[in-house]
Amino acid sequence: GAGVSQSPRYKVAKRGQDVALRCDPISGHVSLFWYQQALGQGPEFLTYFQNEAQLDKSGLPSDRFFAERPEGSVSTLKIQRTQQEDSAVYLCASSSHMGYNEQFFGPGTRLTVL
Amino acid sequence: SQKIEQNSEALNIQEGKTATLTCNYTNYSPAYLQWYRQDPGRGPVFLLLIRENEKEKRKERLKVTFDTTLKQSLFHITASQPADSATYLCALDNTDKLIFGTGTRLQVFP
Repeated sequence: GAGVSQSPRYKVAKRGQDVALRCDPISGHVSLFWYQQALGQGPEFLTYFQNEAQLDKSGLPSDRFFAERPEGSVSTLKIQRTQQEDSAVYLCASSSHMGYNEQFFGPGTRLTVL
Repeated sequence: SQKIEQNSEALNIQEGKTATLTCNYTNYSPAYLQWYRQDPGRGPVFLLLIRENEKEKRKERLKVTFDTTLKQSLFHITASQPADSATYLCALDNTDKLIFGTGTRLQVFP
């Protein structure tokens, strides 16, 4: 069956450009999570949706980061005016329920800001 | 502040031996803990979940323990195989989200 997909897989941006990263969760999954993973580190939580509601955005590092999930399925993570420190792998995960459940991860988008 | 520590050094073991990975946490009282496997260039893959009232959980060659007094989880792979080589991440719940450790890289050599 189809898992979580993310696009693009790789993105190179010049500093100052805006980028949009897409996540297609597993169909019917209520919860959707975005993480940022730096090289050699574990994933760090960015934000969480339950259906279309963004319930927690405490991990977003600055107001340049914005996420949405308008119809409760596909989600987009947008980064405005990218900086070099934004370079990382951005992972999306979905889960059938909130809490106490395994999360299914996509392959990630590797963002490189020059 | 909350802190999760995993062996930062890579763990190298011989095929057939048991690999034991450690996850320690401080300033934290999670209701459950999960272990994930991550291969290079891929997202993490769920392996096991253990709740705070469970001491041990097994799945095939995998075993996880959870000691809330020591604030530690141990992850064991018995009869290890080269295909088990990967980075293993522990993750603790924090209300509605997971907090991940830095991961331990396991290398199983023939």
